[in-house]
Amino acid sequence: EAGVTQSPTHLIKTRGQQATLRCSPISGHTSVYWYQQALGLGLQFLLWYDEGEERNRGNFPPRFSGRQFPNYSSELNVNALELEDSALYLCASSLEGGPGETQYFGPGTRLLVL
Amino acid sequence: QKEVEQDPGPLSVPEGAIVSLNCTYSNSAFQYFMWYRQYSRKGPELLMYTYSSGNKEDGRFTAQVDKSSKYISLFIRDSQPSDSATYLCAMSDHSSNTGKLIFGQGTTLQVKP
Repeated sequence: EAGVTQSPTHLIKTRGQQATLRCSPISGHTSVYWYQQALGLGLQFLLWYDEGEERNRGNFPPRFSGRQFPNYSSELNVNALELEDSALYLCASSLEGGPGETQYFGPGTRLLVL
Repeated sequence: QKEVEQDPGPLSVPEGAIVSLNCTYSNSAFQYFMWYRQYSRKGPELLMYTYSSGNKEDGRFTAQVDKSSKYISLFIRDSQPSDSATYLCAMSDHSSNTGKLIFGQGTTLQVKP
C-alpha cells in the first residue's frame, strides 16, 4: 500500500513569492493534515481538511491557506513568503477525521525562502 | 510553558543498551499518545500508539503512559545503530475534535556500534 506522497521534495522561492505544495493521502483516507517543522520549533499544526472542508487551522496567518480536492488530495498555498517560512512542510492523512485517528505522515516538502 | 516537554538530547548510547525516552505534558485532557520516529530528512513514522494509561509492547519497543503523573515513556531494548533517529512524542485529547496533534520537540538518539 502506497503511503502519503508529497511534491515537490524541495522548493526554493524568494521573499514575497507564492509557494504551492501538494499532498496525496493514503488510498481510502479522507482526512489530510498539514504541519510545519521549522528548525528549533518542532512540528506545528497548520491545517486540517476532511471531506473537502477545512475543519481547523492552527495559529498561522491567513497567507497560509489550502484546499482539499474531491479525490481527497490537498494543496497548501503560502502567499507573500517570508524568510521564516523556510521549513519542512509535512502532510499527514488519517482514515477518518474523528478524535484519536492515527495520522500517517509523508516525507515532506522542504521549502527554502531566500 | 509548553504543553508537551521533551528533552532534546542528544542521547548517545552503545549498541545493545536499553534506551528510555520521556515526555511530560500539562493538559490532563490528553487521551491519545503516540511515538514517532524521524530519520534525518524524512517524515515521521508512527512507532507506537496508546490510548489512556498503561503499557504497550511491540517487539523491542515498549510505551508507557502514566496519566496521574502526566508522563509518557518509550523504552527501546537491545538498541541498534539503525535506531539512530529523532523520536517525537505526540498527543491529542478526546474532548475537542481539532485534528491537531501536539508534539514534543523530539529527542535525538545515536546508537554507536
